[in-house]
Amino acid sequence: DAGVIQSPRHEVTEMGQEVTLRCKPISGHNSLFWYRQTMMRGLELLIYFNNNVPIDDSGMPEDRFSAKMPNASFSTLKIQPSEPRDSAVYFCASGRVGTEEETQYFGPGTRLLVL
Amino acid sequence: EDQVTQSPEALRLQEGESSSLNCSYTVSGLRGLFWYRQDPGKGPEFLFTLYSAGEEKEKERLKATLTKKESFLHITAPKPEDSATYLCAVERGATNKLIFGTGTLLAVQP
Repeated sequence: DAGVIQSPRHEVTEMGQEVTLRCKPISGHNSLFWYRQTMMRGLELLIYFNNNVPIDDSGMPEDRFSAKMPNASFSTLKIQPSEPRDSAVYFCASGRVGTEEETQYFGPGTRLLVL
Repeated sequence: EDQVTQSPEALRLQEGESSSLNCSYTVSGLRGLFWYRQDPGKGPEFLFTLYSAGEEKEKERLKATLTKKESFLHITAPKPEDSATYLCAVERGATNKLIFGTGTLLAVQP
């Protein structure tokens, strides 16, 4: 099992540019979560999908952020336009919602730096 | 408001010196409490899930316990490789949303 796969691992961009982060969940998992981690605020849930459908996006900071899950094996988190305050580590996690084991398994993260 | 508080923020131990990390929580209808370990530059790694007060789980040198207000992660005879940030999270009801604490940074010196 390859675990949750995220790309790119590191991204440096300039303010105003579009950034797209990608995630491949663990095969067989029916839920996918996007988190953001900063020193100031720790780990925060941005959005989560169940069976490819967005269930709760209340954590998405503003309209500049959008997420999609076109199929069970792929999701994107897009920031357009990016701002320096978006600099953080973005994690994707997947799990089996609605089963006895609802543990979320995290990917290695994407470190984003917006200059 | 749901809240998770971890203490201490940082802990330095000598190899073999046992100790405990604390996770205090306030949540309406706790569904589960989760412990993760995070190494620098990596994603959180799952350790334990506890569902009800009185429950205990063990893995190698780690033991997690749960009461109605807090959880403890006991580390027995730690080794330098146990050095990491330990994160606690709670899930309220059937929301599938985890609320994380800010973590305890553990350093075990040889």
